[in-house]
Amino acid sequence: DTAVSQTPKYLVTQMGNDKSIKCEQNLGHDTMYWYKQDSKKFLKIMFSYNNKELIINETVPNRFSPKSPDKAHLNLHINSLELGDSAVYFCASTLRQGAAKEKLFFGSGTQLSVL
Amino acid sequence: GQSLEQPSEVTAVEGAIVQINCTYQTSGFYGLSWYQQHDGGAPTFLSYNALDGLEETGRFSSFLSRSDSYGYLLLQELQMKDSASYFCAVRVFLSSGSARQLTFGSGTQLTVLP
Repeated sequence: DTAVSQTPKYLVTQMGNDKSIKCEQNLGHDTMYWYKQDSKKFLKIMFSYNNKELIINETVPNRFSPKSPDKAHLNLHINSLELGDSAVYFCASTLRQGAAKEKLFFGSGTQLSVL
Repeated sequence: GQSLEQPSEVTAVEGAIVQINCTYQTSGFYGLSWYQQHDGGAPTFLSYNALDGLEETGRFSSFLSRSDSYGYLLLQELQMKDSASYFCAVRVFLSSGSARQLTFGSGTQLTVLP
């Protein structure tokens, strides 16, 4: 009965490969996110998505693309992986984006290592 | 511009009280949130302040002063399990999009010593 689940937990791959990380939430939330946490623990928002709008952080390379088959899923696809993509990627969701007390629920993270 | 500043590290002993400060600079303000993250774990929500003053939740309290663009998280009766990273966060507009997005500070690593 995990609220926000993402797979895989660990992903080790070679430079240049394409990979995907999956995320699912069973909370009935209408907005999902992807965050990247680097080795210094800095949490940076990558994407925000609800059924109406995809919001992209302009600093995210276009090799990264979110794909949402339905409201409960937001997958992250990464093309042509680079060494600098190594990080922990967190999926998160919130009940209603922009609510006064916007509380994010995070998945357990995917540790991506690019060799 | 937009920025959040908090100390990188804080150390305290069990049973003590510790305060983690956060100063912010944003265009528009929609509340200050705090999240806790244990090593290897996911960030979890702790508290939210939209108005000036102190919000208390058990051993944890969070304070906000909007006039000073400043807030803090107060942890009392520290326990070993409180060793974690603590992030303050505010909602800001990205270059695109109609809604503000939750943006985190760089985090404060709290170490609780026996």
